[in-house]
Amino acid sequence: GAVVSQHPSRVICKSGTSVKIECRSLDFQATTMFWYRQFPKQSLMLMATSNEGSKATYEQGVEKDKFLINHASLTLSTLTVTSAHPEDSSFYICSARLGPKGLAGPSSYNEQFFGPGTRLTVL
Amino acid sequence: AQTVTQSQPEMSVQEAETVTLSCTYDTSESDYYLFWYKQPPSRQMILVIRQEAYKQQNATENRFSVNFQKAAKSFSLKISDSQLGDAAMYFCAYRIYTGTASKLTFGTGTRLQVTL
Repeated sequence: GAVVSQHPSRVICKSGTSVKIECRSLDFQATTMFWYRQFPKQSLMLMATSNEGSKATYEQGVEKDKFLINHASLTLSTLTVTSAHPEDSSFYICSARLGPKGLAGPSSYNEQFFGPGTRLTVL
Repeated sequence: AQTVTQSQPEMSVQEAETVTLSCTYDTSESDYYLFWYKQPPSRQMILVIRQEAYKQQNATENRFSVNFQKAAKSFSLKISDSQLGDAAMYFCAYRIYTGTASKLTFGTGTRLQVTL
């Protein structure tokens, strides 16, 4: 199957600094990428949907200015956590969708592939 | 808004036995997908099985099968001949077919333990 990578896998930073996480689709083009946040022993919560070449769509309650998302190419999306605080410590997971943007119909299926995640610890 | 409910936080099964994980969902849509994902200790999300709502036949993938009851909005996962490697968090998920709202909504998860 298609492979999605994330870098770094783990990052520790000081409070107040910014951290960038990269999500790459290695062997396919992804017009849509998703960013999730997962707290310990909890489910994945969607933070934002990112379409190549356009602004990300953020879920309710997610601060756009704090979690900056850039999807500059069909294989790369980045999440930047700005002015990080200890409460931003979490596991961040990206996923990439194979196929045309928003055009899936009943007879087509655009599978979503997940990256291995990034553990962010803010001291 | 769509919601996905998994009422079993934890389940346990003996190796080689069968276990069923429950999932219910709420939606007003008629066309959608349902999924079961596995998240082992590595945290990598793995697609286990997928069901299209328009298909009446239950999906199967080797030892994994689902019982899809559209009217009841129920989507359970049956794991047959359980193996130690099946131990993981299992998430039920929902997605509508089309458009920009086509995003996954996850349930709260069920932790499956497999014992000898």
